[in-house]
Amino acid sequence: DTGVSQNPRHKITKRGQNVTFRCDPISEHNRLYWYRQTLGQGPEFLTYFQNEAQLEKSRLLSDRFSAERPKGSFSTLEIQRTEQGDSAMYLCASSLSRGPHEETQYFGPGTRLLVL
Amino acid sequence: GNSVTQMEGPVTLSEEAFLTINCTYTATGYPSLFWYVQYPGEGLQLLLKATKADDKGSNKGFEATYRKETTSFHLEKGSVQVSDSAVYFCALWRSYGQNFVFGPGTRLSVLP
Repeated sequence: DTGVSQNPRHKITKRGQNVTFRCDPISEHNRLYWYRQTLGQGPEFLTYFQNEAQLEKSRLLSDRFSAERPKGSFSTLEIQRTEQGDSAMYLCASSLSRGPHEETQYFGPGTRLLVL
Repeated sequence: GNSVTQMEGPVTLSEEAFLTINCTYTATGYPSLFWYVQYPGEGLQLLLKATKADDKGSNKGFEATYRKETTSFHLEKGSVQVSDSAVYFCALWRSYGQNFVFGPGTRLSVLP
């Protein structure tokens, strides 16, 4: 069990540029979640996948954000035309879900994005 | 809607002091409740959880009891250590939405 990994760990970009983050979940986990965390706040849900299907998207996920999980393994989160308000820590988590009830999510270390 | 409120930090304690971090929630139905911990430079880790009213979650000396009547899930530890210094997040699980709602976190610093 190597845990959830995220790359890159840090990203600095200029306003208007596109950025892409990658998350590699724990290998047998069927669910993958993306969260955003700003300074002094808890993680806020963005979206989640069950295998390759994207099942829910938060209102926080504007049309500049897109997430994919093409083969039900790793996932990418792309932000187009970045804005300074996108500066945050982007967290990925994975879990093995067997039904609708609560589940233990395993979090990655996050990708910290700074938009100048 | 669903929300989680935690006591504001930072909380600074001396080693071996008693810890309480308050957490209250607003939710439809009866959510499961969790405490996650984030150590410096690391990802969030599950600390403990409780799935129904009056359940007590416990782990590593930490405890929290699911109180439906007060909609609370306060975290306690009888004797904190320097290694407990971290940020603690209270969270509820939205079963119909299948995701967590987190509180803002409480930073704990334990001094030797």
